[in-house]
Amino acid sequence: QKEVEQNSGPLSVPEGAIASLNCTYSDRGSQSFFWYRQYSGKSPELIMSIYSNGDKEDGRFTAQLNKASQYVSLLIRDSQPSDSATYLCAVNRDAGGTSYGKLTFGQGTILTVHP
Amino acid sequence: EAGVVQSPRYKIIEKKQPVAFWCNPISGHNTLYWYLQNLGQGPELLIRYENEEAVDDSQLPKDRFSAERLKGVDSTLKIQPAELGDSAVYLCASSRTSGPYNEQFFGPGTRLTVL
Repeated sequence: QKEVEQNSGPLSVPEGAIASLNCTYSDRGSQSFFWYRQYSGKSPELIMSIYSNGDKEDGRFTAQLNKASQYVSLLIRDSQPSDSATYLCAVNRDAGGTSYGKLTFGQGTILTVHP
Repeated sequence: EAGVVQSPRYKIIEKKQPVAFWCNPISGHNTLYWYLQNLGQGPELLIRYENEEAVDDSQLPKDRFSAERLKGVDSTLKIQPAELGDSAVYLCASSRTSGPYNEQFFGPGTRLTVL
C-alpha cells in the first residue's frame, strides 16, 4: 500500500461543475495535509492546507479531512478551464525523529475542465 | 515577498559529467528542502536543512549526490557523476519553520536531462 494514494485520473469535468479530488493516506498519526496545484511544466503551488477534521473553505476551493477514515479531499466549485492542472495531495506524517516535518506526496490527479 | 529562486532552469549534460543546482529560499525561511520529481509522480524528498544543518538526508544517494547550505541561506545540490536515470526535475522548497504544520513553497525547479 502506498503511503499517499490519489484517485486515478485523468478527471474531466465541464466548466461550471464541481470537481472532486480524493486522497487517502496510510499513517494514522499524520498531522497535516496539503493540496498543491501543478500546471504542466511548472512547479507545485500550495493552494490549501488543513489540519483538523471537517471542512476548510477558501474561495472556490474546499478541503475536507476525515482522520478516522484517513481521507482528505479537495472540491473545486464552479470549475474553470484555468483549473486544468495536476493536483497533488501531500501529507505530513510526523513520524518523529528525522522525519519530523517531512511531506509525502501522492502521484497526483490530472484534472481537465472543458468549456 | 520574493519566492524561492533556483538556477539554472534547464540543464543538459552528458552522462558521467558533474552538475550543480543552486537555490535561494524565501527570506526568513529557515528550513530548506531539495526534492526530485519524475514525470507523472509527486515530488520525493532528497534532503532537508534546518538552517545550515542537514537534518534528514536519508533519501539522498550519497555515492553521487552531495548538498550544502553554507551560512544557512542559499544551498547547492551536486551530482557527480550524473547517470541517465538522474534525468528529472529538481525542486527546491522552503518553509518558515520545520514541523508538521509548516507550509512549504516551491521554486520553479531545474529540469535536468542526462544524455
